[in-house]
Amino acid sequence: DIVMTQSPDSLAVSLGERATINCKSSQSVLYRYNNKNYLAWYQQKPGQPPKLLIYWASTRESGVPDRFSGSGSGTDFTLTISSLQAEDVAVYYCQQYYTTLSWTFGQGTKVEIK
Amino acid sequence: EVQLVESGGGLVQPGRSLRLSCAASGFTFDDYALYWVRQAPGKGLEWVSGISWNSGDIAYADSVKGRFTISRDNAKNSLYLQMNSLRAEDTAFYYCAKGPAAPVSNYYFDYWGQGTLVTVSS
Repeated sequence: DIVMTQSPDSLAVSLGERATINCKSSQSVLYRYNNKNYLAWYQQKPGQPPKLLIYWASTRESGVPDRFSGSGSGTDFTLTISSLQAEDVAVYYCQQYYTTLSWTFGQGTKVEIK
Repeated sequence: EVQLVESGGGLVQPGRSLRLSCAASGFTFDDYALYWVRQAPGKGLEWVSGISWNSGDIAYADSVKGRFTISRDNAKNSLYLQMNSLRAEDTAFYYCAKGPAAPVSNYYFDYWGQGTLVTVSS
């Protein structure tokens, strides 16, 4: 199985500042035949189910604010919140969907307000 | 509006069985793959099982293989998870999730239900 490792486990950022979360996969999730990275990001607020933010590593889901962006390729990926808002307090997970019939998540990164 | 509503959770003794259901609405049910994902209280996300639009492709995590069975009834817009031989480590919130396409493999999960809590304890 592909192991997904996020860093840091938690971070505290001031309102309006940038938050950066990293995700590293144990093997490449880039499918060379279509040049797509099989990597998604989810946001989970307290007491709520996860919500899809980003898929194909950098495509923002409809309705997601443009302060959220995804980047990276191969094994190294980043979720950036360009200007942290109070409503962005949550745990963020990356997920690989490269492996046929198997999906794995990172351990999660908790984002708080400093 | 896509809605996924799980039910069937509760307290069950180790070794016993439980059947979860997920009622779907707001989309053409038999056009999409569906999944179960669980989350132990205070822990991270773990994919459990997935099923393609026509039940032709089914997958399980190693941790539940041989004990859990996923199924769907396209006529009833419903997804199920039959859980047998339950263990304490199966205690978790179980979420039903929808994929963005009919095949089960190589896609993310675009909508999630609110979850149902399964507690395995004597």
